[in-house]
Amino acid sequence: EVQLVESGGGLVQPGGSLRLSCAASEFTFRSYSMNWVRQAPGKGLEWVSYISGSSSTTWYADSVKGRFTISRDNAKSSLYLQMNSLRAEDTAVYYCGRAGGSYRIDYWGRGTLVTVSS
Amino acid sequence: QSALTQPASVSGSPGQSITVSCTGTNSDVGGHNYVSWYQQHPGKAPKLMIYEVSNRPSGVSNRFSGSTSGNTASLTISGLQAEDEADYYCSSYRTSNSYVFGTGTRVTVL
Repeated sequence: EVQLVESGGGLVQPGGSLRLSCAASEFTFRSYSMNWVRQAPGKGLEWVSYISGSSSTTWYADSVKGRFTISRDNAKSSLYLQMNSLRAEDTAVYYCGRAGGSYRIDYWGRGTLVTVSS
Repeated sequence: QSALTQPASVSGSPGQSITVSCTGTNSDVGGHNYVSWYQQHPGKAPKLMIYEVSNRPSGVSNRFSGSTSGNTASLTISGLQAEDEADYYCSSYRTSNSYVFGTGTRVTVL
């Protein structure tokens, strides 16, 4: 069964940085594009970023463009999200999700909570 | 990047059918056949229920079905069951390389 396990969340001050990781297993990681999606407390889902299997293509939501960087290490079957210049409104559970084709996210991790507060 | 519009809540009795709508634009829902629907129970990760407008992943009940008309996508749950009580989100590819989610709908089984 496909597994995605996020880590790296925690409490960070406004303006600070954090790096999230997502460890993938039970599928050929390099063959799949991946996404980050977040959910603020009590709110809906918000797509954050996308990366192709070869890392040649990356997309970002306007709300994080210029502050967040998505990357991956196919040798380690790992996905990353480097988050800089964090703001209170970035507080959310961050999920990694596998892009299963046709712009669907067919598997999701359990998420990691990022709290931006002084 | 504005979200797709969904009703805040929809309810129905066990055994009934309900429909959740998802309204976008011709840059997303109306312009691509890449609409997906996700179910999310409280405190859990989302689960893919429908992709490419009307396709069900393996293991998803055939009580769930999807369709589109113009810029509006719809998710229908027939034979409503207690376990269907959850939040539902639509999603679409949006022209110019992005994904967009809907505002979310709380489905309540009366």
